[in-house]
Amino acid sequence: KAGVTQTPRYLIKTRGQQVTLSCSPISGHRSVSWYQQTPGQGLQFLFEYFSETQRNKGNFPGRFSGRQFSNSRSEMNVSTLELGDSALYLCASSFGRDEQYFGPGTRLTVT
Amino acid sequence: AQSVTQPDIHITVSEGASLELRCNYSYGATPYLFWYVQSPGQGLQLLLKYFSGDTLVQGIKGFEAEFKRSQSSFNLRKPSVHWSDAAEYFCAVGASISGYSTLTFGKGTMLLVSP
Repeated sequence: KAGVTQTPRYLIKTRGQQVTLSCSPISGHRSVSWYQQTPGQGLQFLFEYFSETQRNKGNFPGRFSGRQFSNSRSEMNVSTLELGDSALYLCASSFGRDEQYFGPGTRLTVT
Repeated sequence: AQSVTQPDIHITVSEGASLELRCNYSYGATPYLFWYVQSPGQGLQLLLKYFSGDTLVQGIKGFEAEFKRSQSSFNLRKPSVHWSDAAEYFCAVGASISGYSTLTFGKGTMLLVSP
């Protein structure tokens, strides 16, 4: 069974731009969660989607948003990028209330 | 709110020596506990998990962890470390009420393996 895939793997953007990251979960997994990983703050939960509905949300500004499609694929969007948004963005999928399986991440650099 | 503390930022272990990585959690109800490993530039790989039952859990790659409710700890152990174990290790707790889909992670422990 294929694992969680994330695209793109690397991204360079300029301050003020917006970005969309994509995540394809493991087949059959309906829950998708997003995390931000930075050297200073570590791993922080962004939001979780289940059956196209946002079920949980972390403490991030409204510039961070996401959605989930009927095939469970998910996207997250960051608008008006700031330098501090540079991070590794990790997506994880799970089957119901099971452990999470992580993708390789998208490395976002904001210049 | 739940929290996880990993007291050691870095640990250096000689190859072949035993390893113990510490994890303490704070959570009001029954926790669901996980250990993940991350190699440079990679995502997280699940090593093992504790949901209930036997407090000593076995994982992949020869790792095990012991849940001690009285000490609010979930330490990771391995009897003999291999050079390929060098990576960053994260302990995480999942909320048992809302489900496991929201994980709170510790800051991580970087394991260095010396020859």
